[in-house]
Amino acid sequence: EAQVTQNPRYLITVTGKKLTVTCSQNMNHEYMSWYRQDPGLGLRQIYYSMNVEVTDKGDVPEGYKVSRKEKRNFPLILESPSPNQTSLYFCASSLSGQGFSYEQYFGPGTRLTVT
Amino acid sequence: QKEVEQNSGPLSVPEGAIASLNCTYSDRGSQSFFWYRQYSGKSPELIMSIYSNGDKEDGRFTAQLNKASQYVSLLIRDSQPSDSATYLCAVLASGGSYIPTFGRGTSLIVHP
Repeated sequence: EAQVTQNPRYLITVTGKKLTVTCSQNMNHEYMSWYRQDPGLGLRQIYYSMNVEVTDKGDVPEGYKVSRKEKRNFPLILESPSPNQTSLYFCASSLSGQGFSYEQYFGPGTRLTVT
Repeated sequence: QKEVEQNSGPLSVPEGAIASLNCTYSDRGSQSFFWYRQYSGKSPELIMSIYSNGDKEDGRFTAQLNKASQYVSLLIRDSQPSDSATYLCAVLASGGSYIPTFGRGTSLIVHP
């Protein structure tokens, strides 16, 4: 089954404790991205990657890191989480290249609470 | 800053009616347009994509694109209570990341 998976789905942590949210896709998509979603603010892009070892900042990258060492994986790293990073996080992937539509497929989401 | 604007709603329609959702965008060079449906606490699910001016129909859904006026709309015919959700408009702007920019979404409520 074609899908994007994220782990963990729910996480409660404390300020300053480093954490990683994993994202994996089995569709051989080149493009992957991370979003956070907060009430009233919609989906905001954190980071995106257009290929292995190619990443770039989105609209709200502060406090986050990413890496893309393999095509299928795109982990999101919070080195020192703070309460303002409490949010619902989504990973997404899409095809690229001429003739493709860049339609995004989303993972199930990770609800993060930082106390 | 490339912007995508949607009325937050809620838009309330009776069952069986046509729901009309609208979206405007700022980048005149935008090429690809998407509508996603999102149920509360769930991930966005792609409903339709549209790339050229005019209408595109898929079942009860019709997407309409007018690049000159920079708006895209989604019509839902014969609305059902199960259509109650937030609808997100996404626009792929010219150049840049090839990652769409999302609007904040319109909440749709279909009441029996």
